[in-house]
Amino acid sequence: EAGVAQSPRYKIIEKRQSVAFWCNPISGHATLYWYQQILGQGPKLLIQFQNNGVVDDSQLPKDRFSAERLKGVDSTLKIQPAKLEDSAVYLCASSLGQVELFFGSGTQLSVL
Amino acid sequence: EDKVVQSPLSLVVHEGDTVTLNCSYEVTNFRSLLWYKQEKKAPTFLFMLTSSGIEKKSGRLSSILDKKELFSILNITATQTGDSAVYLCAFNAGGTSYGKLTFGQGTILTVHP
Repeated sequence: EAGVAQSPRYKIIEKRQSVAFWCNPISGHATLYWYQQILGQGPKLLIQFQNNGVVDDSQLPKDRFSAERLKGVDSTLKIQPAKLEDSAVYLCASSLGQVELFFGSGTQLSVL
Repeated sequence: EDKVVQSPLSLVVHEGDTVTLNCSYEVTNFRSLLWYKQEKKAPTFLFMLTSSGIEKKSGRLSSILDKKELFSILNITATQTGDSAVYLCAFNAGGTSYGKLTFGQGTILTVHP
């Protein structure tokens, strides 16, 4: 069974630039999550989708972050414009609607 | 505010040692507690605990939950260098937050040969 796929693996941008991350969940997983993990901290949920609807985006900085999940499968997370404090690993996870989440390998973002 | 605190923050041991990792939590609604192992970037699932006093076991790893004292421990016996990783605990509040995990900051375990 293929796991959660994410791209790119690494991204380096300058502050005020835009960046986008892509995630393809495990086939058949209706629930998709984006987490942000700052160095030395645990992952923090940014947004949760159930199929293509948003379940929880209470911790998403909506002035600069946006996410979509078209057709209830792939998802993209965008940051525009990026700030220095956005430097982190962005993890995508999916589940069958249960609590056990399956994580991708993440995108490491460095904002200079 | 709900929170999860892990201790120690880091631990260095030698192969063959036994380690105990701690996770305490303060939450308004508790459904389950989960342990993950994070090597490099992707956390991988270890255990989910929902009931007090019932030990979950997988090989050299085991975990138990105390819902009265609000903590969980993860034990690793006969450690190996491959156990070196960040160990994360997280709780799930259930209800409208079903599926949302709130993580602790993690314990960095380093196992030397």
